[in-house]
Amino acid sequence: AQTVTQSQPEMSVQEAETVTLSCTYDTSESDYYLFWYKQPPSRQMILVIRQEAYKQQNATENRFSVNFQKAAKSFSLKISDSQLGDAAMYFCAYRDPYNNNDMRFGAGTRLTVKP
Amino acid sequence: NAGVTQTPKFQVLKTGQSMTLQCAQDMNHNSMYWYRQDPGMGLRLIYYSASEGTTDKGEVPNGYNVSRLNKREFSLRLESAAPSQTSVYFCASTIQGAYAYEQYFGPGTRLTVT
Repeated sequence: AQTVTQSQPEMSVQEAETVTLSCTYDTSESDYYLFWYKQPPSRQMILVIRQEAYKQQNATENRFSVNFQKAAKSFSLKISDSQLGDAAMYFCAYRDPYNNNDMRFGAGTRLTVKP
Repeated sequence: NAGVTQTPKFQVLKTGQSMTLQCAQDMNHNSMYWYRQDPGMGLRLIYYSASEGTTDKGEVPNGYNVSRLNKREFSLRLESAAPSQTSVYFCASTIQGAYAYEQYFGPGTRLTVT
């Protein structure tokens, strides 16, 4: 089974600075999808960004971007110009395109933003 | 649109009691899921329903049952609650076959079993 590993249980960043959250995954597939979800204290899971494995270009969404290294099976999230509202748990997730119901999540990284 | 709704938001049970968590979505999604979230373990799939009338076990199904009542609703039942089932439960939905699309999550139910 595919596994997703987030090696940083906690991270902190100064407001307006940049932070990178790490994620690695294990798969034998060549085609798959990767996601970063944000979970603020409200518990609501919110999609931050997605990446299709067949695309070489790294996805970006405003202040959020990823560094997708397919050969290394690495999918890190970079948050630029960090804001207080970015404080949350961040989960990396892997989705198997051959199994609609196989979406694996990492254990999460808790991000603190210091004013 | 309300998206994915879950009831209740909080629940406390005694060991051995039963309860049903309710989930509904108004996005006309085919697939629905139940996850549990435990500290340090991310989200783990309990059961899923690829379409109306079908259900299948996920990673951690023991102690749970589900019902896909119709396309909109997917309920999770604990027949005899145990302290190990203390967790936050999330329902999610997505378009079947749309692998590039994310799952949409409900607000979660915090369940404590004493």
